Amino acid sequence: LAKTTQPISMDSYEGQEVNITCSHNNIATNDYITWYQQFPSQGPRFIIQGYKTKVTNEVASLFIPADRKSSTLSLPRVSLSDTAVYYCLVGDGNTPLVFGKGTRLSVIA
Amino acid sequence: DVKVTQSSRYLVKRTGEKVFLECVQDMDHENMFWYRQDPGLGLRLIYFSYDVKMKEKGDIPEGYSVSREKKERFSLILESASTNQTSMYLCASSSPGQGAIEQFFGPGTRLTVL
Repeated sequence: LAKTTQPISMDSYEGQEVNITCSHNNIATNDYITWYQQFPSQGPRFIIQGYKTKVTNEVASLFIPADRKSSTLSLPRVSLSDTAVYYCLVGDGNTPLVFGKGTRLSVIA
Repeated sequence: DVKVTQSSRYLVKRTGEKVFLECVQDMDHENMFWYRQDPGLGLRLIYFSYDVKMKEKGDIPEGYSVSREKKERFSLILESASTNQTSMYLCASSSPGQGAIEQFFGPGTRLTVL
């Protein structure tokens, strides 16, 4: 399974755009990139998934360069409720996902 | 709305007790997973199952077993609970397939072994 590397923590003020970058140098051709969000005392929740270029939904955008060796999760205008741990994962759907330690985002008023 | 439920949110057991953690999903998913989550260690995969009566070891299966007699239910068993099994246990399910790697998680069971 491709390993991912992401920052351990980030701080942001309310209303700012937050970009969390993840590197996955060994991503395989069949792998997709997925991001999850986890609040304290809850299970992780799927946010967004992509294969290449850009994907946008009501929660976030995901930017994937042509070489697919990294990806960036973009959260527009964060609020206090976006304080959570964000996990970047890669996989092909045929093997279990491997969750790392994620990025702990703290949003400050 | 898709749903994964776990039998208890909080559980307190004594060392040596046999513990059953139940997970039920209503999405007709083939795949089910058990993770544990500890501070500073992230989520670690204990066991998973791709079909009824099938099971595969994850990264940390020692001290645990599982049972999948029905498609919707995946049970985690601690044969003889120990204090180092105090943790948050998370169950998840998903459908198989290319790129279909959205896992749906339950709310978690916080187990304390005294």
